[in-house]
Amino acid sequence: DSGVTQTPKHLITATGQRVTLRCSPRSGDLSVYWYQQSLDQGLQFLIQYYNGEERAKGNILERFSAQQFPDLHSELNLSSLELGDSALYFCASSATSVNTEAFFGQGTRLTVV
Amino acid sequence: TQLLEQSPQFLSIQEGENLTVYCNSSSVFSSLQWYRQEPGEGPVLLVTVVTGGEVKKLKRLTFQFGDARKDSSLHITAAQPGDTGLYLCAGRLDSWGKLQFGAGTQVVVTP
Repeated sequence: DSGVTQTPKHLITATGQRVTLRCSPRSGDLSVYWYQQSLDQGLQFLIQYYNGEERAKGNILERFSAQQFPDLHSELNLSSLELGDSALYFCASSATSVNTEAFFGQGTRLTVV
Repeated sequence: TQLLEQSPQFLSIQEGENLTVYCNSSSVFSSLQWYRQEPGEGPVLLVTVVTGGEVKKLKRLTFQFGDARKDSSLHITAAQPGDTGLYLCAGRLDSWGKLQFGAGTQVVVTP
């Protein structure tokens, strides 16, 4: 158990819908990362937050947004969903952003039908 | 194109054999990490290397960071079925930078 909790574990929804994925980082970790993993793309960095502030942005679509709350949990919002958004979405946390280990949650498997 | 290129993409070997997985880039990294991921699970960190030329050993696993900090390798000696998994390298371009992953090498070790 990494200490990072992601909910829900599985999500099936229709195209055009909006979903929210939730991540609770390890106790004390200030940094949260979101990744998308699909079979043909590997693990793609989406966005990083550090202590509530956006730290770095990757290949995150405009239809996607995220935030980190004062209690340090984070949410990833995916809207106007398309079939191609079906993937595993991972959240990871680390104590800081500096060369430290990232601990991953078990992921949310999103299926868009 | 991936910032980090891993090779091979897939490797199938018999128990007891050795294997090496490579991670290459044209960019210089502040640090590089290796993770292993099993089906249905998130990646789990194996090692972090930060100094050019650094070699770290973790039981039967040997990790090397290139002198120029652009590449790394993972060598497994006498592989066991429990070593089966997706091996991912990940790097930061600077100390505070985003952690970016290679596409991974799928390793299968058969008894």
